[in-house]
Amino acid sequence: DTEVTQTPKHLVMGMTNKKSLKCEQHMGHRAMYWYKQKAKKPPELMFVYSYEKLSINESVPSRFSPECPNSSLLNLHLHALQPEDSALYLCASSQDERPGRSITDTQYFGPGTRLTVL
Amino acid sequence: AQTVTQSQPEMSVQEAETVTLSCTYDTSESDYYLFWYKQPPSRQMILVIRQEAYKQQNATENRFSVNFQKAAKSFSLKISDSQLGDAAMYFCAYRSWANNDMRFGAGTRLTVKP
Repeated sequence: DTEVTQTPKHLVMGMTNKKSLKCEQHMGHRAMYWYKQKAKKPPELMFVYSYEKLSINESVPSRFSPECPNSSLLNLHLHALQPEDSALYLCASSQDERPGRSITDTQYFGPGTRLTVL
Repeated sequence: AQTVTQSQPEMSVQEAETVTLSCTYDTSESDYYLFWYKQPPSRQMILVIRQEAYKQQNATENRFSVNFQKAAKSFSLKISDSQLGDAAMYFCAYRSWANNDMRFGAGTRLTVKP
């Protein structure tokens, strides 16, 4: 099973709202990722959690707040977003074997949450 | 920082024919991973094929194969016997050996003509 699930599929929010995106995987993966993808553009890495610890934060504005409550779950908390934050938000997970790496450390993506900020 | 370049914004192929998508990358690392992902209109990113940099043998997955030229930093994708379902945006991606940072190229939109 290589399924990563994301909820909700679509989200419309105002600039003063607080909302959360949720991502879940049950593949035993220990690394989870958030990407932002604008229309007709490639995904851009936002955050990486490895073994439930934030390992990469690509200088994302503080209005985006990631959380990894356990190894299967990844949240992205949204607050005071801007219209330019409207995008497809993709979650991914990978094995992240330790020590060393292996070819199984491939990222598997969820279907994404399409976010519209009004 | 590593960069990935896909010089073909759009490509088209006749059904049952073969098409090659180009990808080049820039890195100072000797160990890394390379991937091709497919993103159909549904927007789900689907892994097509992957290659470890230390392996000289080119990866193949059914109708999909790569031409990995490490010295030239080139990683092209060949799709044989193209099918209508192959129509999608194709992204080339580079992942560092040292961390989980993955970088994508700008993408190539592939159209398959019946």
